[in-house]
Amino acid sequence: ILNVEQSPQSLHVQEGDSTNFTCSFPSSNFYALHWYRWETAKSPEALFVMTLNGDEKKKGRISATLNTKEGYSYLYIKGSQPEDSATYLCAFKSSNYQLIWGAGTKLIIKP
Amino acid sequence: KAGVTQTPRYLIKTRGQQVTLSCSPISGHRSVSWYQQTPGQGLQFLFEYFSETQRNKGNFPGRFSGRQFSNSRSEMNVSTLELGDSALYLCASNLQDGEQFFGPGTRLTVL
Repeated sequence: ILNVEQSPQSLHVQEGDSTNFTCSFPSSNFYALHWYRWETAKSPEALFVMTLNGDEKKKGRISATLNTKEGYSYLYIKGSQPEDSATYLCAFKSSNYQLIWGAGTKLIIKP
Repeated sequence: KAGVTQTPRYLIKTRGQQVTLSCSPISGHRSVSWYQQTPGQGLQFLFEYFSETQRNKGNFPGRFSGRQFSNSRSEMNVSTLELGDSALYLCASNLQDGEQFFGPGTRLTVL
């Protein structure tokens, strides 16, 4: 059974602090790893799609790394702002195109 | 380019009834996936359609079914509704197995 784990489940971070969280996924049959941000009352929006081992992607203050050999990806947020409060989801895409979602990390930024 | 649209946005049904939800993907996207989100739960994958064929299926009972038309529009049907089917149903389309673009969702309430 393919499983995607995200940790921690939730996180409270002081405004201005940096933070990071983890997505663990199967290290076999890898096709891609997706990160999404899901704000309350909105639909999930893609942050990154990563396909190569060692990939590092950046969008503003948010960046992500990928290790397909050991099956993990980190998402980093530098200098957290209140608008970063959201649930961050990762999804593992296998070579048969199945997309398996983690349960998400709920990030709350305290002003 | 227009985004993913879902109709209706809100729906109230009673137990035992059946319901059909509709999703129009972004123009040119051939893959449509359906998800269920209930309070306190993450995204639960229902199924994915690609070029009118079901490519992947989640662990939902046979009461949940779907189809995709030649114009890539997709419908999801739930028969014999149960109270536990009350949820937000999201559909997402993607191009070439890349990032998923989500619609606004259909909020289904079963009384």
